Amino acid sequence: AQSVAQPEDQVNVAEGNPLTVKCTYSVSGNPYLFWYVQYPNRGLQFLLKYITGDNLVKGSYGFEAEFNKSQTSFHLKKPSALVSDSALYFCAVRVLGNEKLTFGTGTRLTIIP
Amino acid sequence: NAGVTQTPKFQVLKTGQSMTLQCAQDMNHEYMSWYRQDPGMGLRLIHYSVGAGITDQGEVPNGYNVSRSTTEDFPLRLLSAAPSQTSVYFCASSSGREGSPLHFGNGTRLTVT
Repeated sequence: AQSVAQPEDQVNVAEGNPLTVKCTYSVSGNPYLFWYVQYPNRGLQFLLKYITGDNLVKGSYGFEAEFNKSQTSFHLKKPSALVSDSALYFCAVRVLGNEKLTFGTGTRLTIIP
Repeated sequence: NAGVTQTPKFQVLKTGQSMTLQCAQDMNHEYMSWYRQDPGMGLRLIHYSVGAGITDQGEVPNGYNVSRSTTEDFPLRLLSAAPSQTSVYFCASSSGREGSPLHFGNGTRLTVT
């Protein structure tokens, strides 16, 4: 079975500081990893994905994530946080040949002005 | 380009009532799915479809039915609503190509009293 863990329910960061939202996963086989963001009363929006290749992937709004196979992690990062980055962030995983995408429980990111 | 459209946005049901949540996409996506979002539990997969005429169960299928008679539409039916089905429901679609991200609708907030 595949699973995702987001160990922090809430992350608070001062505006302008770097931010990290943590994600670890468990799958049988090579993972496809995704980050999504959810703003209030909206559906999830795709931020970035790792399929294969470079371990550092860049996505929308200046976000990036680093795939670490040995630590089975895919942490989301941004060098300088904006107040507008405040939202709910979800990590998700699937594997080749399996259409089912499994989500973590989400991390609420709050950027403090 | 409308993307994924869900109706209604809000619904209140009494226990035992039935209803259908509508989902339509205009991107010619083969893969469609339904998730429910509950606080502290992230998104859980209810049912999914890899193409017209094909459906399968996800993680939490009990109490829900789906059908896929066209590529565009993927309705979710609640047969006899229960308070445990109070949730926010999201429909999502993707092209089905390996690594393609999900596109989400804006959700239906359902309350069962």
